[in-house]
Amino acid sequence: DQQVKQNSPSLSVQEGRISILNCDYTNSMFDYFLWYKKYPAEGPTFLISISSIKDKNEDGRFTVFLNKSAKHLSLHIVPSQPGDSAVYFCAASASRGGSNYKLTFGKGTLLTVNP
Amino acid sequence: GAVVSQHPSWVICKSGTSVKIECRSLDFQATTMFWYRQFPKQSLMLMATSNEGSKATYEQGVEKDKFLINHASLTLSTLTVTSAHPEDSSFYICSATDTDYNEQFFGPGTRLTVL
Repeated sequence: DQQVKQNSPSLSVQEGRISILNCDYTNSMFDYFLWYKKYPAEGPTFLISISSIKDKNEDGRFTVFLNKSAKHLSLHIVPSQPGDSAVYFCAASASRGGSNYKLTFGKGTLLTVNP
Repeated sequence: GAVVSQHPSWVICKSGTSVKIECRSLDFQATTMFWYRQFPKQSLMLMATSNEGSKATYEQGVEKDKFLINHASLTLSTLTVTSAHPEDSSFYICSATDTDYNEQFFGPGTRLTVL
């Protein structure tokens, strides 16, 4: 039972254009969402997060949008750069705060930014 | 800051042997550490949550006696795969967090191959 779904296993984008990575979730208890970037044979690196009380969070080239009614979030990268090529994981938590929260991950989307 | 290391980065062992993987928080005290497993092209699956000085909490379907977790100090957690079999071959990733942080910091992962 996949509670966090990333239905696109891969995405290819031209340098300078916008990359949009999508994520859907099924658990209504999730109240905190994160995006991680991962290179092969390395651990995930935190990119950006959003709390369920917001619908948008921006950090430089990265913006995350949250649509709670649709249980959908997306990560926008603009402009995309070749160095952004990696696997992007969407993750969700049902108990934000403190030090004891579990993350549920999607399967990831491989983003390739072509020069 | 917030660096997490894992050792070894890769290990090959024979079926039936035990393998220990270390996870260390290098510049902060981690009250909670998580252990994940990732199969190729799959999501990171949480195996267990460990709090310093307490027994680990295992996710459903994860064998406690097979995957021994020890979190004896605020900077070190170990995962021991006992009597490893080829189906245990995977990428094992730990993460660490503390009440001061709103995120988990991931280690670089350990590639385990059981022959």
